[in-house]
Amino acid sequence: DGGITQSPKYLFRKEGQNVTLSCEQNLNHDAMYWYRQDPGQGLRLIYYSQIVNDFQKGDIAEGYSVSREKKESFPLTVTSAQKNPTAFYLCAVAGFGNEQFFGPGTRLTVL
Amino acid sequence: RKEVEQDPGPFNVPEGATVAFNCTYSNSASQSFFWYRQDCRKEPKLLMSVYSSGNEDGRFTAQLNRASQYISLLIRDSKLSDSATYLCVVNNLNSGYALNFGKGTSLLVTP
Repeated sequence: DGGITQSPKYLFRKEGQNVTLSCEQNLNHDAMYWYRQDPGQGLRLIYYSQIVNDFQKGDIAEGYSVSREKKESFPLTVTSAQKNPTAFYLCAVAGFGNEQFFGPGTRLTVL
Repeated sequence: RKEVEQDPGPFNVPEGATVAFNCTYSNSASQSFFWYRQDCRKEPKLLMSVYSSGNEDGRFTAQLNRASQYISLLIRDSKLSDSATYLCVVNNLNSGYALNFGKGTSLLVTP
């Protein structure tokens, strides 16, 4: 079954903890992206990667880190430096016409 | 100025009605334009790309006016299942084909 998977679906974090959100794709696409969405807001770009072993900061990268060791995987770590991490996190893969396809998302809540 | 601006609505329309959404974008060099649909607490899904000549997909028609930096979406014969938030999306020239999202326009189709 092809597509984009994200896990976990829900994640609860205590203050001061780092947590890692998983994003996996089997579509064989090079470019992957992380966005966050806050209630009533548009999606905002956190990080993106256009090729393995390379990634770039987006508009709101502070407090986040990523890696891209495999084409299929682009995990996002939310560090304790991110002061307001509660949000809906969405991973996307770029299609051939610049459109993007999203995984089902992870809802992160800070306790 | 926001990169992509939309009227947040909500638009409440009866079944069978025609409804139009508008969107403006700030970067005249933008090249790719899309409408996405987002259901409550779900990931955005591509509804349609928007081409310079305008394009239609069933009951949905998208128009692009590059001179005015304006995008529109027309939904004819609204169905209850069209109830969702519609996101106007433009490519981000500074971030490797990432996308800039409007905050979305909420549509509620009522019986």
